Amino acid sequence: GENVEQHPSTLSVQEGDSAVIKCTYSDSASNYFPWYKQELGKGPQLIIDIRSNVGEKKDQRIAVTLNKTAKHFSLHITETQPEDSAVYFCAASKIRTSYDKVIFGPGTSLSVIP
Amino acid sequence: GAVVSQHPSWVICKSGTSVKIECRSLDFQATTMFWYRQFPKQSLMLMATSNEGSKATYEQGVEKDKFLINHASLTLSTLTVTSAHPEDSSFYICSAGRRTDPSEQYFGPGTRLTVT
Repeated sequence: GENVEQHPSTLSVQEGDSAVIKCTYSDSASNYFPWYKQELGKGPQLIIDIRSNVGEKKDQRIAVTLNKTAKHFSLHITETQPEDSAVYFCAASKIRTSYDKVIFGPGTSLSVIP
Repeated sequence: GAVVSQHPSWVICKSGTSVKIECRSLDFQATTMFWYRQFPKQSLMLMATSNEGSKATYEQGVEKDKFLINHASLTLSTLTVTSAHPEDSSFYICSAGRRTDPSEQYFGPGTRLTVT
């Protein structure tokens, strides 16, 4: 089955700096890669996703890149703000049927220092 | 749109009792709902896939007789933890996908279960 790895496990950046989180996946059939932000005591929230037919996607301060050959994908947050502090999860899934499982990476705890 | 609710948000029960957690898609129909468990400072672990009108599919290592899942309608799935023990204490989260775009999963706010 699919296995998703994620690095680093913790990340501290100064406010205004950029943060990068990297993930790898094992199943070459995976073709949908969402990123979730989870604040303490809450459920995950989808912040951006990318599908395998696209190499890069950007939404304001957040961007995601995908290298299907290497089975790598990354989240880039620019101009970080204290409210970006949370746990971020990458995930992988296959878009085929309505029963697509989302397999999560272990998470990255991001701290943005004011 | 795409709001998923869970009830209760937290629950405390005594060891040996059962507790039911509800997951509802408020503004869309969900053919499939997923149940996850999350321990402190860990990732989400998929427990089972809940399909409307049919039996749930459990992940390896998850006891189907202990974690009963019912998906009676396109907007409601329930997880019942039977004969709960302290080790079942965890954060339980459900997600649901739209029938029109099952790839995107929308997550509920989670239910904190504490078994004493």
